[in-house]
Amino acid sequence: GEDVEQSLFLSVREGDSSVINCTYTDSSSTYLYWYKQEPGAGLQLLTYIFSNMDMKQDQRLTVLLNKKDKHLSLRIADTQTGDSAIYFCSGATNAGKSTFGDGTTLTVKP
Amino acid sequence: DTAVSQTPKYLVTQMGNDKSIKCEQNLGHDTMYWYKQDSKKFLKIMFSYNNKELIINETVPNRFSPKSPDKAHLNLHINSLELGDSAVYFCASSQKGGPTGYTFGSGTRLTVV
Repeated sequence: GEDVEQSLFLSVREGDSSVINCTYTDSSSTYLYWYKQEPGAGLQLLTYIFSNMDMKQDQRLTVLLNKKDKHLSLRIADTQTGDSAIYFCSGATNAGKSTFGDGTTLTVKP
Repeated sequence: DTAVSQTPKYLVTQMGNDKSIKCEQNLGHDTMYWYKQDSKKFLKIMFSYNNKELIINETVPNRFSPKSPDKAHLNLHINSLELGDSAVYFCASSQKGGPTGYTFGSGTRLTVV
């Protein structure tokens, strides 16, 4: 099955950029996703990228995909305290099976 | 309107009891899931149903029994609760093969005392 790995913690200062990285093993992943989980809440889909794309930008969020290295990253520009949360990377195949990473806890310091 | 709703939000119960968690989605998705999130926030898939049929059943004690009366509902019944069952349980739904990812409920925090 697929393995999805992320570093567990990231701490940045307010206003800086945050980059959260993820590596996955299943090259048949069709879609790759980033989810955000705030304290006491469920996961919320932030953005996704199709496997034939290299980059997707959505306001302060930029997703980069290096398919050769099976590496996915999420960049958050001008990070705010409200961005403090756990971010999960996930890959999904056409058969619909998704695997989640262990989550990266982002702490934004004022 | 809540897309994926689960009840109850909190559940505190004694060891040995039997309890159920209910989940409903109004998104028209064909697939529903139960995930367990432990104290380290790691997410583990437990079950997945597609159009009422069980398609994923990970290594979960058989004290856990999912039931899907229709494709909009997936309930989780737990028998003989143990201390180690304490966790947050998330229901989610998706449309198989689509790009929209999963929609999660807000979770049920189960505490076994």
